[in-house]
Amino acid sequence: AQSVTQLDSQVPVFEEAPVELRCNYSSSVSVYLFWYVQYPNQGLQLLLKYLSGSTLVKGINGFEAEFNKSQTSFHLRKPSVHISDTAEYFCAVSERGQTGANNLFFGTGTRLTVIP
Amino acid sequence: GAVVSQHPSWVICKSGTSVKIECRSLDFQATTMFWYRQFPKQSLMLMATSNEGSKATYEQGVEKDKFLINHASLTLSTLTVTSAHPEDSSFYICSARLGNTEAFFGQGTRLTVV
Repeated sequence: AQSVTQLDSQVPVFEEAPVELRCNYSSSVSVYLFWYVQYPNQGLQLLLKYLSGSTLVKGINGFEAEFNKSQTSFHLRKPSVHISDTAEYFCAVSERGQTGANNLFFGTGTRLTVIP
Repeated sequence: GAVVSQHPSWVICKSGTSVKIECRSLDFQATTMFWYRQFPKQSLMLMATSNEGSKATYEQGVEKDKFLINHASLTLSTLTVTSAHPEDSSFYICSARLGNTEAFFGQGTRLTVV
């Protein structure tokens, strides 16, 4: 079974400052990793995903994340945040190689608040 | 990317009535869809896996008679909250997987039972 830990429930940051949202996972098998963003009263939108290859993954809205297998981490970063980045961010993991449908395991989410 | 449409986006109903929520994959076929429930300021909790043409698989602690799931076609799954009560008020989200990698989510449904 997999699990995901997002240590920071809330992260306030000033506009144009850099930000890092932390995500650690545990799994006995290889995994795919995802970051999703949720705006109020909306579903989840995929920011980026790591399936294989380069450990540095670039996503939408200027976000990037780095897969670190030895530390079982997949931290999300942005060099300069904007007010519009205020939202809830979820890290998720699914088991690699599963055929058919397989569930995503979500972290508890990090609320990013960008302060003007 | 693929699109999953969820309807309605919000609904208010009286206690004791039933509410149906639809989840459609618009441009791809989804043999499996997932239904989640999200409490305020919390993560998504998987309720059940909806399988086209067969019975849904419910997670432990989720009442299957309370939350009826029907996946009648490759593009439509429905969740019916039967005899709704105020404690059923929540945000419900569906998703569909494309292959075994990426999941696409509906916009969510805010259910308020009064």
